Amino acid sequence: SQTIHQWPATLVQPVGSPLSLECTVEGTSNPNLYWYRQAAGRGLQLLFYSIGIGQISSEVPQNLSASRPQDRQFILSSKKLLLSDSGFYLCAWSEVDSQGNEQFFGPGTRLTVL
Amino acid sequence: AQSVTQLGSHVSVSEGALVLLRCNYSSSVPPYLFWYVQYPNQGLQLLLKYTTGATLVKGINGFEAEFKKSETSFHLTKPSAHMSDAAEYFCAVSDSGYSTLTFGKGTMLLVSP
Repeated sequence: SQTIHQWPATLVQPVGSPLSLECTVEGTSNPNLYWYRQAAGRGLQLLFYSIGIGQISSEVPQNLSASRPQDRQFILSSKKLLLSDSGFYLCAWSEVDSQGNEQFFGPGTRLTVL
Repeated sequence: AQSVTQLGSHVSVSEGALVLLRCNYSSSVPPYLFWYVQYPNQGLQLLLKYTTGATLVKGINGFEAEFKKSETSFHLTKPSAHMSDAAEYFCAVSDSGYSTLTFGKGTMLLVSP
């Protein structure tokens, strides 16, 4: 069966510090991968998605970036965090050619920028 | 472009009462529709989905939803609420296996004893 992991589970970082969040998927090959952010009261915001290694699409201009160095690994990064980067970050995957693009979510990372 | 509207950011029900969470969508092609549930500090879990076929879809935990094309709706219901149903619920739409999901802003379900 497929599983998705995210780490760390929680993170507290000062403004201006770098960020690296990691997501890995097991039990599937060539998944579509997604990064979302949830800020309080604002629902889910799609940040990035990837249909393959090295192929990243950005949905929202910001100081975050994403990379996919391996088939089942998706990394969210920042060189300098802003207060507004605080939130709950969710990684998700879906199968290529899935009916309707059903997505499966990881447990999330709670990021607090102080 | 697709969009999802969830009416009511918060819905309160008593334990044992009917749960009704509303979702209306906009899509230029026949949609694929989903309901997800999120418990505090956890990821989203799929409750149910509509792709094709029967318009009444049954999901986990006793929830069901009905796709009504004429009303562009996909409301989520459960006959009898349980305390453990208290969570945030998200409706989502896509128009193909190649497009991203568009989520509604979510509805927080509060269940009182």
